[in-house]
Amino acid sequence: QKEVEQDPGPLSVPEGAIVSLNCTYSNSAFQYFMWYRQYSRKGPELLMYTYSSGNKEDGRFTAQVDKSSKYISLFIRDSQPSDSATYLCAIEQEAKLSFGAGTTVTVRA
Amino acid sequence: DADVTQTPRNRITKTGKRIMLECSQTKGHDRMYWYRQDPGLGLQLIYYSFDVKDINKGEISDGYSVSRQAQAKFSLSLESAIPNQTALYFCATSDPSPGTGDEQFFGPGTRLTVL
Repeated sequence: QKEVEQDPGPLSVPEGAIVSLNCTYSNSAFQYFMWYRQYSRKGPELLMYTYSSGNKEDGRFTAQVDKSSKYISLFIRDSQPSDSATYLCAIEQEAKLSFGAGTTVTVRA
Repeated sequence: DADVTQTPRNRITKTGKRIMLECSQTKGHDRMYWYRQDPGLGLQLIYYSFDVKDINKGEISDGYSVSRQAQAKFSLSLESAIPNQTALYFCATSDPSPGTGDEQFFGPGTRLTVL
């Protein structure tokens, strides 16, 4: 079993919809929780990170962590075609990241 | 100019050949990483280095070796390439601060095909 599980999708939504992405993890010692965004033919780039249970907002993006359930989520409100990308969850322990498989999202204009 | 560069960007080679992928960074970070990305598997850590004298195996190091020539340079070698090493390879760097996550900065990737 992988340490981080993520549904690879793909996910296709109309412009303006809410996108919901999630991951589960197995190791309760994980400390930091991140979401990376990867555009086609590019390297991943950090979108958001958090280290505690609860919600963190940044513009149209909300990251949610539930440590009791070992579950993390990313919500994108008012999705735009420019949000079309692969989103990878990543969980850090001792300076190493464990990545989910990534979910490919397409936002249709 | 890009902070993390990788060369080559694309490479096609044959089974049994030795291949070197190079990574350079201008961010001044001590930590560097090599990952491979396969469809449906996400990013898997091959090797990582926390400074010039520190090299560590990741989860899938078999068949790979690395060299940290300087703080700014970290090379990945495939001594005898095999077809199942066909993948997208990424180099990354980081410079963690106390109490915050270790954001990693990725290069543009090298697409390697082994025939």
